[in-house]
Amino acid sequence: EDQVTQSPEALRLQEGESSSLNCSYTVSGLRGLFWYRQDPGKGPEFLFTLYSAGEEKEKERLKATLTKKESFLHITAPKPEDSATYLCAVRSGVTGGGNKLTFGTGTQLKVEL
Amino acid sequence: DGGITQSPKYLFRKEGQNVTLSCEQNLNHDAMYWYRQDPGQGLRLIYYSQIVNDFQKGDIAEGYSVSREKKESFPLTVTSAQKNPTAFYLCASSIPGTSMQQYFGPGTRLTVT
Repeated sequence: EDQVTQSPEALRLQEGESSSLNCSYTVSGLRGLFWYRQDPGKGPEFLFTLYSAGEEKEKERLKATLTKKESFLHITAPKPEDSATYLCAVRSGVTGGGNKLTFGTGTQLKVEL
Repeated sequence: DGGITQSPKYLFRKEGQNVTLSCEQNLNHDAMYWYRQDPGQGLRLIYYSQIVNDFQKGDIAEGYSVSREKKESFPLTVTSAQKNPTAFYLCASSIPGTSMQQYFGPGTRLTVT
């Protein structure tokens, strides 16, 4: 059974204080690791897809990296508008199940002035 | 603008009543999904459909039903058999195929009393 564990559950940063969010996973043949941002009361917004170990992707202050066991979402010099819950999900290579994603419970990030 | 719409944003029902949540997309995506989100838990897959007139159960399908008569629409009915229906419901769509990201709608918060 695929599993995704995100840590920490919650993170409070000062504006400009860089940090990283962790997503550890076990999956039968990774077919994609996905990062989403979710604001309160809204649907998740797609950020990145990573496919293989060593891959990195960047978008503004966010950078996602992938190893064989975990992914990191690095936030450089965060701003208050980066405050949100960040979700990690994986898709396995097991046949059947459509494009089923297994989600972690998320990291709730709060960036303060 | 292309996207996914869910209506209504908030829905209130009495226990024992069936209720249908709407999901419409104009992204021309073949695959559509329904997830449930509860506090402290990851998104859980209820049903998915990879093509019109076909759908499969996800991990927590008991007490729910769906239909897929049109490519653009994938309504979810929460029946009186669902023991704990109060939750945030999210609809998503994607291009079918390996490793394709899912795009989410804004969600419907259902409260059953």
